[in-house]
Amino acid sequence: GAVVSQHPSWVICKSGTSVKIECRSLDFQATTMFWYRQFPKQSLMLMATSNEGSKATYEQGVEKDKFLINHASLTLSTLTVTSAHPEDSSFYICSAKGLAGGSYEQYFGPGTRLTVT
Amino acid sequence: AQSVTQPDIHITVSEGASLELRCNYSYGATPYLFWYVQSPGQGLQLLLKYFSGDTLVQGIKGFEAEFKRSQSSFNLRKPSVHWSDAAEYFCAVVPLPTDSWGKLQFGAGTQVVVTP
Repeated sequence: GAVVSQHPSWVICKSGTSVKIECRSLDFQATTMFWYRQFPKQSLMLMATSNEGSKATYEQGVEKDKFLINHASLTLSTLTVTSAHPEDSSFYICSAKGLAGGSYEQYFGPGTRLTVT
Repeated sequence: AQSVTQPDIHITVSEGASLELRCNYSYGATPYLFWYVQSPGQGLQLLLKYFSGDTLVQGIKGFEAEFKRSQSSFNLRKPSVHWSDAAEYFCAVVPLPTDSWGKLQFGAGTQVVVTP
């Protein structure tokens, strides 16, 4: 149980285009989903936290107009990188937290490798 | 400042040897503690967690961790490593008191290389 999927697993896009990444909790309902960015050989950096039906909360320094997050249902959150540039190339990972009260365990997706050319 | 520290960036260990990865934290109150493993190009898998109670925690894949309040540490151990244990290991915490979201704060990670 507690499986999180991401789609696509990798994507290459041209500079100036937008890319959408999906994060789904497959066998549980996720009240909260998190989006992380990871550069090579580095730790995960939290970008934003999203709750179903409400606006995402972005971490300091993350451009909310560039990284659009939508949490439309209890099983789906999307991250759209708008007007992508080469510096947006990175590994994007989502995680989901279930409905269980007091549960602070996050379940992570396999990640999406974005390359902007 | 509040932080999670993994002092070892890189560890090389022989297959069959024991492994210990260090994690120290600096917070006003003992946070919730986690160890995650990330294989190349993959997301993170939870190895084990500590919220309270028995300070020796058993996890998956033969890993265990010991919480030591006096040392503000939560070190991860495995008695005998396998080649498949080669990966990046992250210590993470949920600082307390926490908001309802329970945001994780990650250490920098320790890269484990397993030699034949």
